Amino acid sequence: AQSVTQLDSHVSVSEGTPVLLRCNYSSSYSPSLFWYVQHPNKGLQLLLKYTSAATLVKGINGFEAEFKKSETSFHLTKPSAHMSDAAEYFCVVSAVGNQFYFGTGTSLTVIP
Amino acid sequence: DTAVSQTPKYLVTQMGNDKSIKCEQNLGHDTMYWYKQDSKKFLKIMFSYNNKELIINETVPNRFSPKSPDKAHLNLHINSLELGDSAVYFCASSPLIPGLADEQFFGPGTRLTVL
Repeated sequence: AQSVTQLDSHVSVSEGTPVLLRCNYSSSYSPSLFWYVQHPNKGLQLLLKYTSAATLVKGINGFEAEFKKSETSFHLTKPSAHMSDAAEYFCVVSAVGNQFYFGTGTSLTVIP
Repeated sequence: DTAVSQTPKYLVTQMGNDKSIKCEQNLGHDTMYWYKQDSKKFLKIMFSYNNKELIINETVPNRFSPKSPDKAHLNLHINSLELGDSAVYFCASSPLIPGLADEQFFGPGTRLTVL
């Protein structure tokens, strides 16, 4: 069975400081993992994805995530937060057959 | 533009009415989905279709009926609308690559308000 746990429902950071959004997954198979971002009143946009290639994945807007099988984690990081990063972030796990399992989301606030 | 599109963007209606939301993707994808996002931003999958065939049907009231006239369209019809149906509904599509789960592409969402 597949599932995702986003450990923080809300994260606040100051502009220019690092961002860490945590995600742990459970999967019976070799998973594909994704991070999506949703800005207010918008649809979801893919930030990055892991599909069994390099464990450190770089995405758009300076975000990256590292797949750690031993820790069953796929945390999202960014070295320096920007005001435009304020949004809802979703971690997603998928197995073959195109079934996707969403986390409950982490709301990121960036303080000027 | 290549995209996943939904109409309407906003839908305000009275309890008991029947309404439809349309979704179209021109990405050539094989699989399409409907999600419901509640006021706490929690995303719940409702249905998934692959090549016009239903493959996922989560615990959703049978007042909700998806219809896929062709691979590029997945419409959602809702009968006898209730207050609890108020939410944002997202359509998504995904290519089906054997042995691999690829990303989903989301539509802009339809905000349904039931009065």
